[in-house]
Amino acid sequence: AQSVSQHNHHVILSEAASLELGCNYSYGGTVNLFWYVQYPGQHLQLLLKYFSGDPLVKGIKGFEAEFIKSKFSFNLRKPSVQWSDTAEYFCAADNQGGKLIFGQGTELSVKP
Amino acid sequence: GAGVSQSPSNKVTEKGKDVELRCDPISGHTALYWYRQRLGQGLEFLIYFQGNSAPDKSGLPSDRFSAERTGESVSTLTIQRTQQEDSAVYLCASRPSGGSYEQYFGPGTRLTVT
Repeated sequence: AQSVSQHNHHVILSEAASLELGCNYSYGGTVNLFWYVQYPGQHLQLLLKYFSGDPLVKGIKGFEAEFIKSKFSFNLRKPSVQWSDTAEYFCAADNQGGKLIFGQGTELSVKP
Repeated sequence: GAGVSQSPSNKVTEKGKDVELRCDPISGHTALYWYRQRLGQGLEFLIYFQGNSAPDKSGLPSDRFSAERTGESVSTLTIQRTQQEDSAVYLCASRPSGGSYEQYFGPGTRLTVT
């Protein structure tokens, strides 16, 4: 069955710390991968996406993610987090335009 | 331009009542999705409309749930005889046709069944 799993439910970091959030997927065939973010009181918005090509993708606000096909992973990274990065982060996958399958989400709290 | 809008933003209803949730997608977007987010859980797919094709209803949790879409515009999600476990945030998303697979999400409707 298709699934997406996120390893961390809640991550607490201090400002300027580096961030890596894990995401693994189980999918047959071609897969598109996404990271969405939900800031407090706001709706889901796209951070970055991978469809094909360069496996290292860069998104908004200094985030990046690396697609490693052999590991079925799409981990999200940021070298130096800010207090404003406090949010919930969702990894998701689809089969080219169909329904998105989401991970359980990771709540990130950044201490000033 | 305008994003995906949903109404109402909050809905409190008594167990056993029917509710209707509305989604207005971004103009011109051919695909429309409904998801549910229960407290402490990830988003679950409910149903997907693509143009004039038959909708993908594979995520609807029971026959109390149904959804309609008029052409490529408004969609309504109906939950009949609501139960407490239906309490969740219901999210709508739309996507344009063509190569972009990005879905644009609305703010959601928070449903509380008492």
